[in-house]
Amino acid sequence: LAKTTQPISMDSYEGQEVNITCSHNNIATNDYITWYQQFPSQGPRFIIQGYKTKVKNEVASLFIPADRKSSTLSLPRVSLSDTAVYYCLVGRRDNAGNMLTFGGGTRLMVKP
Amino acid sequence: SAVISQKPSRDICQRGTSLTIQCQVDSQVTMMFWYRQQPGQSLTLIATANQGSEATYESGFVIDKFPISRPNLTFSTLTVSNMSPEDSSIYLCSGSGSYNEQFFGPGTRLTVL
Repeated sequence: LAKTTQPISMDSYEGQEVNITCSHNNIATNDYITWYQQFPSQGPRFIIQGYKTKVKNEVASLFIPADRKSSTLSLPRVSLSDTAVYYCLVGRRDNAGNMLTFGGGTRLMVKP
Repeated sequence: SAVISQKPSRDICQRGTSLTIQCQVDSQVTMMFWYRQQPGQSLTLIATANQGSEATYESGFVIDKFPISRPNLTFSTLTVSNMSPEDSSIYLCSGSGSYNEQFFGPGTRLTVL
């Protein structure tokens, strides 16, 4: 079971790029890395998923080094509405049963 | 993506009673899960809801306390049985997509008095 470690909190200012790093030293070969965003009183929302190198979508980028022992979620030009908790999740993608352990999450505060 | 709804959104219950939470997905999903989240804390997986068979429970959670049904690919229920104040929490349902990314419902906020 791959355990994840993230910073408890981060502060940023509007317009800045925010990078949140997640450590997962014992990631398995079949594990994918997925990031979720959660606002208060809502369920988590899927942001991005990757296996290796770089993945990018309309809201974020995910950087995964060759050893896959960590990953970095990059949020370009954050706004106040990006204030949320961000979770890094590591687990298998197959249907034989996902090991889905949410870590502590990173509480991002975006300031004006 | 899938849209997931839960009912009720919140409830206040008396100790010793049971509450059934419903989860409805607007499209077929491969897997459905139930989580618990204490305010300000991370999510803890309770179980995987399997269609047509018994749910798969995580360590620390048992069927007698949290019976789960999944009669079809788009619907599941979680019952919190014989409730105590320690069961006060937010209960979240999720469904997995093609790449096993999860789509979450808004949660059910349960308070047990």
